[in-house]
Amino acid sequence: DAGVIQSPRHEVTEMGQEVTLRCKPISGHDYLFWYRQTMMRGLELLIYFNNNVPIDDSGMPEDRFSAKMPNASFSTLKIQPSEPRDSAVYFCASSPVRIRVKLFFGSGTQLSVL
Amino acid sequence: AQTVTQSQPEMSVQEAETVTLSCTYDTSESDYYLFWYKQPPSRQMILVIRQEAYKQQNATENRFSVNFQKAAKSFSLKISDSQLGDAAMYFCAYRSAQETSGSRLTFGEGTQLTVNP
Repeated sequence: DAGVIQSPRHEVTEMGQEVTLRCKPISGHDYLFWYRQTMMRGLELLIYFNNNVPIDDSGMPEDRFSAKMPNASFSTLKIQPSEPRDSAVYFCASSPVRIRVKLFFGSGTQLSVL
Repeated sequence: AQTVTQSQPEMSVQEAETVTLSCTYDTSESDYYLFWYKQPPSRQMILVIRQEAYKQQNATENRFSVNFQKAAKSFSLKISDSQLGDAAMYFCAYRSAQETSGSRLTFGEGTQLTVNP
């Protein structure tokens, strides 16, 4: 299995632009998580899905952030409009319901908003 | 809400020596899981070791072991015979055993470990 796949690996954009981050979870995993990592706040959970349904989005910082999971093999995290303070590493992770305790992380997307 | 605290932003160890990374957490729950993740410069989050709160025996994975003190809410990681490849950021993490939490993790701030040759 290729693991959790995130794209792009790096994204540089200008303030005000729309940014879309993509994630392909491991096949068969029922849970998908989006985390953000910054120096100031560490690793924060933004949102997670179970069977493509958003369960908890309380970590989404503002209305500028939105996440979707149209099917079991794809999820997006969108920021519109982006701001410099959104600069961070965004991780996607998935977990099989059978082994709830283990998360499999992607390699992350390094986002820089200028 | 649960919190996880790592009070050592940075640690260093000589190659082949032993180092212990500290972690404390706060929770009102009795059943939960604790983890140590390693994040090397590649950014990949790698699970190092896991401890179930209901188990009294400390988890061990090769050179990595934990000292789990449930009453004190302490969960330290010991790395024996440190190797250059152990250099990374280490995160302590908590996960509730409640079904409704899925597998969401609460992370500590991280400890940057340097291994000196």
